[in-house]
Amino acid sequence: DAKTTQPPSMDCAEGRAANLPCNHSTISGNEYVYWYRQIHSQGPQYIIHGLKNNETNEMASLIITEDRKSSTLILPHATLRDTAVYYCIVRRQNSGGSNYKLTFGKGTLLTVNP
Amino acid sequence: GAGVSQSPRYKVAKRGQDVALRCDPISGHVSLFWYQQALGQGPEFLTYFQNEAQLDKSGLPSDRFFAERPEGSVSTLKIQRTQQEDSAVYLCASSWGQGGHQPQHFGDGTRLSIL
Repeated sequence: DAKTTQPPSMDCAEGRAANLPCNHSTISGNEYVYWYRQIHSQGPQYIIHGLKNNETNEMASLIITEDRKSSTLILPHATLRDTAVYYCIVRRQNSGGSNYKLTFGKGTLLTVNP
Repeated sequence: GAGVSQSPRYKVAKRGQDVALRCDPISGHVSLFWYQQALGQGPEFLTYFQNEAQLDKSGLPSDRFFAERPEGSVSTLKIQRTQQEDSAVYLCASSWGQGGHQPQHFGDGTRLSIL
């Protein structure tokens, strides 16, 4: 799976949009971009994933550049409860379609300030 | 509905003891994963089950680590003759299918401390 690069930490003011970047310059055509987050003392939580089109759900939006070498996770109105480590993960679909492991990096610690 | 449940939440053991960590996945989930998370690091893959079959155990760090899922639901991760370097949070995740891109749902982990 392709490697990802994220800033180690970011700050955001409560109520503002949080934009978390991720570089994945070695991504290949059949690899998806996933985002998970981990709040302190909890397990990781799935946020969103995409292949090449922008995606939006009730939690966040995912913007993937046209060349797919980078992406941005957007939390439109950050709250204090969004303080967490955010992981950007690139994952291929195995041949045969078997559901498979996630390879986590160190992620970005997002701190939402009041 | 109920999420992934792990027990115990915390476990303290003396070096050399055996420990067993339990994972109750979401009902009906076919795929089950174990991850190990050291302090300050992201989770690292240990092993993967599809129903009762252990399809990948490439992440298990040594032969002291053993996982099973005999009936395709509850899973147990066993660590024999524990060492201090085994201290970590052990996370279990499940997903409903065996293909596609279903998200993995994680439990809150078992924090293992080896004295």
